[in-house]
Amino acid sequence: AQSVTQPDIHITVSEGASLELRCNYSYGATPYLFWYVQSPGQGLQLLLKYFSGDTLVQGIKGFEAEFKRSQSSFNLRKPSVHWSDAAEYFCAVGVVQGAQKLVFGQGTRLTINP
Amino acid sequence: GAGVSQSPSNKVTEKGKDVELRCDPISGHTALYWYRQRLGQGLEFLIYFQGNSAPDKSGLPSDRFSAERTGESVSTLTIQRTQQEDSAVYLCASSFTGTPLTQYFGPGTRLTVL
Repeated sequence: AQSVTQPDIHITVSEGASLELRCNYSYGATPYLFWYVQSPGQGLQLLLKYFSGDTLVQGIKGFEAEFKRSQSSFNLRKPSVHWSDAAEYFCAVGVVQGAQKLVFGQGTRLTINP
Repeated sequence: GAGVSQSPSNKVTEKGKDVELRCDPISGHTALYWYRQRLGQGLEFLIYFQGNSAPDKSGLPSDRFSAERTGESVSTLTIQRTQQEDSAVYLCASSFTGTPLTQYFGPGTRLTVL
């Protein structure tokens, strides 16, 4: 069955520091991978997605993610975080059979220290 | 040009009552999804509508949950005889036929069952 694991429930970084959020997936075919951000009281906003091609994907708000098939990973990175990046981040894998749904990880809560 | 909208934004109900949650997808989006997000959890897929095809109900947790969609417009998620474990945020998403996995989410309805 498809699954997504985000090993870090909560991460704290200082403003201006670099960030990496981990995501590992389990899927039997070529994965379609996503990162979403959810700010308090808000819906989910798509940061970036990987369908095929270049394994380094650029997204909005200065985020990027790298697909590594050998490690079944799709880690999210940002070189310098801003206080406004504090939010919950969700990694997801797209399932194309049947419902074509998204299977989400548990999320990583990011706190930014001033 | 509005995004996905959901109503109400908050709903408090008593155990055993029925509730209806509404979703208005982005105009022209043929696919519509409902997800549930329990406190501190990732999103769980509930149901998927694609055009006039029969919905995929594989994620509905019990027969107390049902959903309808009229054509390619509004959808209603109904929970009958609510239980305390139904307390969660219910999120709706929509997408184009050609890119079903690129889903745009609404702000959600926070349901509290007392």
